[in-house]
Amino acid sequence: EVQLVESGGVVVQPGGSLRLSCAASGFTFDDYTMHWVRQAPGKGLEWVSLISWDGGSTYYADSVKGRFTISRDNSKNSLYLQMNSLRTEDTALYYCAKGPGRSYYYMDVWGKGTTVTVSS
Amino acid sequence: EIVMTQSPATLSVSPGERATLSCRASQSVSSNLAWYQQKPGQAPRLLIYGASTRATGIPARFSGSGSGTEFTLTISSLQSEDFAVYYCQQYNNWRALTFGGGTKVEIK
Repeated sequence: EVQLVESGGVVVQPGGSLRLSCAASGFTFDDYTMHWVRQAPGKGLEWVSLISWDGGSTYYADSVKGRFTISRDNSKNSLYLQMNSLRTEDTALYYCAKGPGRSYYYMDVWGKGTTVTVSS
Repeated sequence: EIVMTQSPATLSVSPGERATLSCRASQSVSSNLAWYQQKPGQAPRLLIYGASTRATGIPARFSGSGSGTEFTLTISSLQSEDFAVYYCQQYNNWRALTFGGGTKVEIK
């Protein structure tokens, strides 16, 4: 069974840093593009970042560019999101999601999410 | 950035009726359009990709159509489990993926 399990969400002060992790299982991790998508309380979905199957290409939403860094460790079947200079507007449920392959950039499997709260 | 606009924001439908949801792109996304369903307290679930291809395990009552800038998700006969929020997402500009604001399908 394909499974994605996020962790690392906590309450952090504005300006702080945090690293989210996503543990993948049930598929050949290094064959797939991976994404982070977030959802602020009561709001819609916002794509945050994607990373190619080999980690060689990364892209970010303008709202997080320069502050967040996506990475992956294919030897550990894990995806990460390093979040720096956090703002109150970064408060959200953060989902890890899998792409359908090395190309095509929709999300065919989602984790349950981890909650990040940025508050003083 | 490609802006995705969904309408209506809320759709009130009786069980067994047909629901038609719209998604418009600010510029052409070809057929690179996906639809997701999200129920309260749950992660989104992929319904449709390539504008019209149902994902694995998705019932035939869900269908997608359109290309370019205008897309439609149709639920032919609403079941109780279909009341949820639906999002469209373009992946034509894969360097800057964008979602629509969502359509909530509620019981009339």
